[in-house]
Amino acid sequence: RKEVEQDPGPFNVPEGATVAFNCTYSNSASQSFFWYRQDCRKEPKLLMSVYSSGNEDGRFTAQLNRASQYISLLIRDSKLSDSATYLCVVYLISNFGNEKLTFGTGTRLTIIP
Amino acid sequence: ETGVTQTPRHLVMGMTNKKSLKCEQHLGHNAMYWYKQSAKKPLELMFVYSLEERVENNSVPSRFSPECPNSSHLFLHLHTLQPEDSALYLCASSQGPGGNTEAFFGQGTRLTVV
Repeated sequence: RKEVEQDPGPFNVPEGATVAFNCTYSNSASQSFFWYRQDCRKEPKLLMSVYSSGNEDGRFTAQLNRASQYISLLIRDSKLSDSATYLCVVYLISNFGNEKLTFGTGTRLTIIP
Repeated sequence: ETGVTQTPRHLVMGMTNKKSLKCEQHLGHNAMYWYKQSAKKPLELMFVYSLEERVENNSVPSRFSPECPNSSHLFLHLHTLQPEDSALYLCASSQGPGGNTEAFFGQGTRLTVV
């Protein structure tokens, strides 16, 4: 099983629609979770952290389900500028104190006018 | 404006060349990373340095050799690469142990091996 697994898409969604992505992770000891956004030929940038209680930032809502080991991202009222690849990221500190950020393959989203 | 700077932005090298990628961060972070991003593949962690010590080497071939002379600088020395090593190489930094785990990325070096 992959450490972090995402549906690669592509998701082609009309402007104004709501779209949701899920991501699963295999290591139950994972400590922190993030969604990153990567535009074409650019570096990834943090979109939002994901907390157990769920968190919202404008049109974006992130949820974490530790029991089922998945995180989700919901985008409401999608805009053309939301077109990008969304990366699920899991952070873990091993028993030896080594830090590791593991990225999913990313989900490609295209918003259609 | 990114706090993590990578040079060069683009590099074309022959299989017998030796080159180095440079990464510099001005964020006061203690952890630095090298990632490889190939087309249609996830970001692959190559190396992690925490407090200037290498703490992770993700089974990377020896033709890639990292160097971290201090907490602000990270190098990736390249020699006798193969065409399949062509990819985007991304450097990232984070606060490190006990700190905020958000990673900040440089803009990457797009490497082509011919």
